[in-house]
Amino acid sequence: DAKTTQPPSMDCAEGRAANLPCNHSTISGNEYVYWYRQIHSQGPQYIIHGLKNNETNEMASLIITEDRKSSTLILPHATLRDTAVYYCIVSPNTNAGKSTFGDGTTLTVKP
Amino acid sequence: NAGVTQTPKFRILKIGQSMTLQCTQDMNHNYMYWYRQDPGMGLKLIYYSVGAGITDKGEVPNGYNVSRSTTEDFPLRLELAAPSQTSVYFCATTGRPPKEKLFFGSGTQLSVL
Repeated sequence: DAKTTQPPSMDCAEGRAANLPCNHSTISGNEYVYWYRQIHSQGPQYIIHGLKNNETNEMASLIITEDRKSSTLILPHATLRDTAVYYCIVSPNTNAGKSTFGDGTTLTVKP
Repeated sequence: NAGVTQTPKFRILKIGQSMTLQCTQDMNHNYMYWYRQDPGMGLKLIYYSVGAGITDKGEVPNGYNVSRSTTEDFPLRLELAAPSQTSVYFCATTGRPPKEKLFFGSGTQLSVL
C-alpha cells in the first residue's frame, strides 16, 4: 500500500487559507487520495478525495500534482473550528480497500 | 439513519478480563474495519471484513478476534486484556472502496489496568 508523508504540525491565522501538503510518491495509477480530519478524539471525518483531477467541495479544495506524487489540501478561510489533525491517505483499488493512516498533520488555527 | 454505532463509549478492564466491542452499521455496506488509535498516533488497522462470513487480519491483530455473521454487525473481541490494549477503538465502513469514503463510528475508549 502506498504510504503518505505529512508535516507533523502547522499553524494558520484565522481567516487565512490553510494549505496542508502531502507526499505520496509511491501511489499507483488506480489509487485515490483521501483527506480526513479528526477533532479531539472523535471519529475521523471525511473532507475530500480525488484520483487525478483537482477537486472542490463545500469544505475544501484538493490539488493533485500532474505526476500524482503529492497533493495539497486547501481550507480557503480557516476558522478556529478547523483546528484538528488532518490525515492524507491513499486508498487502494485492491486489497479490500485497506487504507493506511499515518500520524497526520496537526493544524492549529490561531486568532 | 444512524450510520455507524459503537458501544460502549468507555470501558475500564482489569488485566486478563475479556470484552466485546460492538459495531453496527445501517448503510448496507460490505466493507468494515476496526482501527485502534494510541495517544498522539494515527490509526492502525486491526481486522477487516469484505462481507458477511469473511474476515482477515490487518496490521495489529494479535490479542483480538472478530466475526461477521451479518452485514450490519462486526464485533471485536478482546481476550485476556493487557495494558498494551489501552487505546481508542474505531469502527469504519465503506460501500465500494476506493471510490467511496470511509464512515467512522464515534469510538470506544478502553483502559486496561
